[in-house]
Amino acid sequence: AQSVAQPEDQVNVAEGNPLTVKCTYSVSGNPYLFWYVQYPNRGLQFLLKYITGDNLVKGSYGFEAEFNKSQTSFHLKKPSALVSDSALYFCAVRDTDSGAGSYQLTFGKGTKLSVIP
Amino acid sequence: DGGITQSPKYLFRKEGQNVTLSCEQNLNHDAMYWYRQDPGQGLRLIYYSQIVNDFQKGDIAEGYSVSREKKESFPLTVTSAQKNPTAFYLCATVRDRGRGTEAFFGQGTRLTVV
Repeated sequence: AQSVAQPEDQVNVAEGNPLTVKCTYSVSGNPYLFWYVQYPNRGLQFLLKYITGDNLVKGSYGFEAEFNKSQTSFHLKKPSALVSDSALYFCAVRDTDSGAGSYQLTFGKGTKLSVIP
Repeated sequence: DGGITQSPKYLFRKEGQNVTLSCEQNLNHDAMYWYRQDPGQGLRLIYYSQIVNDFQKGDIAEGYSVSREKKESFPLTVTSAQKNPTAFYLCATVRDRGRGTEAFFGQGTRLTVV
């Protein structure tokens, strides 16, 4: 079974400071990893993904994430936070060893990011 | 977002009623999904469909039903058997069955039992 953990329900960071939102995963094979952002009463928007290759993945709006296989982590980062980054962030995983036809994405519980002016 | 339309945006249901949530896409994506979102619980998969006329139960399918008669449409019916249906419902699509492909989401329907 695949699973995702986001250990922090909320992260507070001052505007202009670097931010990190943590994610760890568990899969039986190799992972496909995704980050999404959600604004209030809206759907999820895709930020970035790791499939294979370079462990540092760059995505939308200046976000990046680092894949660490030994620590089974995929933390989301941004060098300088903006107030407009305040939102709910979800990490998701899909196991490459999922059964044929299976395409289930498993999501973490989400981390609320608040950027303080 | 984009080519996925969920309607209505807000829906109120009386106890014992069945209600149907609409999800329509013009992205020509093969797979479609329904998720339920509750505060602090993330997204939980209700049903998914990889191709027309085929669908599979997710983790919390009890009290829900779906159909996939057309590639563009994947309606979700919340039946009276669903004891706690108040939640935010999200529809998603995926272009193909490649597992590295990201999902696209609609804007959601907020269902409230009154």
